Amino acid sequence: DAGVIQSPRHEVTEMGQEVTLRCKPISGHNSLFWYRQTMMRGLELLIYFNNNVPIDDSGMPEDRFSAKMPNASFSTLKIQPSEPRDSAVYFCASSPGGGAGEKLFFGSGTQLSVL
Amino acid sequence: AQSVTQPDIHITVSEGASLELRCNYSYGATPYLFWYVQSPGQGLQLLLKYFSGDTLVQGIKGFEAEFKRSQSSFNLRKPSVHWSDAAEYFCAVVTGGGNKLTFGTGTQLKVEL
Repeated sequence: DAGVIQSPRHEVTEMGQEVTLRCKPISGHNSLFWYRQTMMRGLELLIYFNNNVPIDDSGMPEDRFSAKMPNASFSTLKIQPSEPRDSAVYFCASSPGGGAGEKLFFGSGTQLSVL
Repeated sequence: AQSVTQPDIHITVSEGASLELRCNYSYGATPYLFWYVQSPGQGLQLLLKYFSGDTLVQGIKGFEAEFKRSQSSFNLRKPSVHWSDAAEYFCAVVTGGGNKLTFGTGTQLKVEL
C-alpha cells in the first residue's frame, strides 16, 4: 500500500489566494483527519471525518477554512482567502475505523507558505 | 479537559546512552495514551499505545513506555539510543469521541555521536 498520499508537498502562494490541499487516505480506512503543525501551536486537529461524514470540525480556525470528503478515497482542505498566518505544515491522517485509540497513519504533509 | 504535557522541549543524549522522555496526562478515567515519532520532513509514526492491562508497553524500534496512574505519567524509554533515533517525539491522548487525538507539544531528541 502506498500509504496516505498528500499533494502538493509544497505550496507557496500570495495572501488572498485560494489554496487547496489534497489527501488520499489508505484504501479501506474509514476515518480521515486533518492536522496543522506550527512552531507556536504544535499539532492541532482541524477536522475529522468518519465514513465521509464530518464528525468534529471544532478545530477549524475560521470560515476561511473548509474541508470536504466527497468519497472514501479523497479529501480536500481549502483556505479562501489565505493569510500569512496560515503558513504551516498540514497533515492528513487516516485510520481503519472510528474506534478510540486506533493507530493513525500520517501522510508526509503539505508545507504551505503564504506570502 | 483531557490533555498531555511534555515538559522537555529539547533533550540531547549520547549514542548508546539510555533515554527517558516525559509525558504527563490530565484525565479523570483511564486514558488512551500514545507515543508518536516524527522524523524531519515526514509525518508521524506510531511507536506504541496504552489502553489498559499491563502498564509496561513495548513498541517498535526498541522503545517502551510505562503507565503510572499515581504519577499521571506515561514516559517513553529506550535502554540504548541509536543516532537514527534523532527525531521529534509526541505524546498523545484520545480526547473525544471516536479517535480524536490531542498531541503534546513534542520533545526534540538530539543524539550525539
